[in-house]
Amino acid sequence: QQQVKQSPQSLIVQKGGISIINCAYENTAFDYFPWYQQFPGKGPALLIAIRPDVSEKKEGRFTISFNKSAKQFSLHIMDSQPGDSATYFCAASVNQGGKLIFGQGTELSVKP
Amino acid sequence: GAVVSQHPSWVICKSGTSVKIECRSLDFQATTMFWYRQFPKQSLMLMATSNEGSKATYEQGVEKDKFLINHASLTLSTLTVTSAHPEDSSFYICSRTGQGIREQFFGPGTRLTVL
Repeated sequence: QQQVKQSPQSLIVQKGGISIINCAYENTAFDYFPWYQQFPGKGPALLIAIRPDVSEKKEGRFTISFNKSAKQFSLHIMDSQPGDSATYFCAASVNQGGKLIFGQGTELSVKP
Repeated sequence: GAVVSQHPSWVICKSGTSVKIECRSLDFQATTMFWYRQFPKQSLMLMATSNEGSKATYEQGVEKDKFLINHASLTLSTLTVTSAHPEDSSFYICSRTGQGIREQFFGPGTRLTVL
């Protein structure tokens, strides 16, 4: 019940296209859902995060869509660029303790 | 700019030796820090939660006597891998949060290779 399931495992998108990564969870106590971007050999960097009281949040080319009833959330990267090629992780946490449960990761490759 | 630093960025040691990794919060007095381990092509796995001035809380399956965590100040947490073995070779990453803050910011990671 503590798991966060992420798909796809890998994704290839053409430059300018939309990249979509999906995550699903079971624990309804989760109340914070961040997305992280990680380049090889680097630590994860926080991209964008959402709380369950909103259905969508947009920051630049990155949008989180949140479906509370389905217990799913997704990251959309608009106008994908080669520089977006990285591994993306969704995560979730419960207020108490604050520790993050990470999805399995998606390796995104944006082709020029 | 970076809000969390780690030192060293990479370390190679012999089997049976101990290695200490430092994690510093650069911009915030972090009451809570987290330590993660990441194997190649895998996700981040939480090892322990480090609380300033108290004992760390370890996740199930993590040996607390092998992975010693000290959080002696609000800006520094250390992870010591004792009697390291080749299977401990991994990417170790720390993160910080703060009271009332949900966002976690991660350090750049430390690559440990045990020969």
